[in-house]
Amino acid sequence: GNSVTQMEGPVTLSEEAFLTINCTYTATGYPSLFWYVQYPGEGLQLLLKATKADDKGSNKGFEATYRKETTSFHLEKGSVQVSDSAVYFCALTNQGGKLIFGQGTELSVKP
Amino acid sequence: DSGVTQTPKHLITATGQRVTLRCSPRSGDLSVYWYQQSLDQGLQFLIQYYNGEERAKGNILERFSAQQFPDLHSELNLSSLELGDSALYFCASSVRDSMIGELFFGEGSRLTVL
Repeated sequence: GNSVTQMEGPVTLSEEAFLTINCTYTATGYPSLFWYVQYPGEGLQLLLKATKADDKGSNKGFEATYRKETTSFHLEKGSVQVSDSAVYFCALTNQGGKLIFGQGTELSVKP
Repeated sequence: DSGVTQTPKHLITATGQRVTLRCSPRSGDLSVYWYQQSLDQGLQFLIQYYNGEERAKGNILERFSAQQFPDLHSELNLSSLELGDSALYFCASSVRDSMIGELFFGEGSRLTVL
C-alpha cells in the first residue's frame, strides 16, 4: 500500500543552521507529494507541494524536490529561524480523498 | 486563520459515551475531510465528504460515523467510546473533490476519554 516515512525527531538546530528533513514514500502510480507544517496549538498548513517527478516545491525559504528514482521528497531550508519551530509532515496522495501522512518531525530552533 | 471552524475545542467524557464533533468548512469549499491524530498512530484519514455525499473512506471504525449537511457543515459522531479513542480530531476542507489541491485544516477537537 501507500505509505510515507519521515526521519524521527525531535530535530534541534541553532538559528541560521541548515535544515534537512528526510521523507521517502511508497506508492503505486504517480503520487502528488506535500509538506505540511503544524505550529503549536494550530491545525496543519500546506507548506509546499510537487505533483510530478523532478518538480521542486518552494515556499518561505523551504524547498523539496520530487525524486522518483529514490522515491524521496526531502525538505530543506538554508537558514532556519526560531519561528520555524513546528512539526513538519510529509504526505502523499494518488487517489482522490486520501492524503497519507508521515509520522511528523518536530523541529526546535534555538536562538 | 484557515477559515475552518471546529467545535468543541476540548471535550472530556467517559468510556461508553457518545460525542459529536462539528466542523464548518471554509466558505465555498465543498469537500470536508476528517482526520484523527494520536501519538501512536500519527495522522490517520477517517473519511471524506463532497457536497453531501461520502467520497472516500479510510481507517474509520464502525463505532464512528459522519455526515455532511446541505449547508456543507459536517459532524463526526463517535459512540461507545474507548480509552484509545482519545486523540485530536481534525477537520479539513478543500474547494474540489480532488486531493491535488490544498487542504485547509481547522485547529482540531481534542477528545479525552476517561
